[in-house]
Amino acid sequence: DTAVSQTPKYLVTQMGNDKSIKCEQNLGHDTMYWYKQDSKKFLKIMFSYNNKELIINETVPNRFSPKSPDKAHLNLHINSLELGDSAVYFCASRPGTPTNTGELFFGEGSRLTVL
Amino acid sequence: SQQGEEDPQALSIQEGENATMNCSYKTSINNLQWYRQNSGRGLVHLILIRSNEREKHSGRLRVTLDTSKKSSSLLITASRAADTASYFCATWTTDSWGKLQFGAGTQVVVTP
Repeated sequence: DTAVSQTPKYLVTQMGNDKSIKCEQNLGHDTMYWYKQDSKKFLKIMFSYNNKELIINETVPNRFSPKSPDKAHLNLHINSLELGDSAVYFCASRPGTPTNTGELFFGEGSRLTVL
Repeated sequence: SQQGEEDPQALSIQEGENATMNCSYKTSINNLQWYRQNSGRGLVHLILIRSNEREKHSGRLRVTLDTSKKSSSLLITASRAADTASYFCATWTTDSWGKLQFGAGTQVVVTP
């Protein structure tokens, strides 16, 4: 009965490969996010979707492409992986229309290591 | 850029002691939140304090907010080994969609 689940939890791959991380939430939330946490634990927002529509796209390289097939799922595809993409990627969700209030519900993270 | 900065970066205490960490932020806010992250896990929301509140309690947690100084503090009383984690403050940006921005975090180690 995990609320926000991400797969895979660990991903080790070579530079230049393409990989995807999947996220699903069973909370009935309307808004989902991808965050990147670097080795110093800084968390940076990457993308946000509201009811399958992209609403936030931070200055992320276009090698990163999010996709939301429905409001319960938000996937992240990364092309041509680089060493600097190594990080922990967190999916999060929140109910209702996105405004500047309320809490986020986070998944357990997907640790990506690029060799 | 990070909205908040936290201090100290790391804190090591004994079980039973209190742990205090501080957060400073840059712009005006509607509310400020604190999250905990256990090692290898996701972030978990702890407490939210609104901009018109000065202090809030939840169990062993006490949060204060000083909007004139743009700062907040989180106090964990009577700490336990299970409180070992990283603690982050977070604030929403004021643009229409809003982005929740996090501070750099304080790593707390509680030794038995």
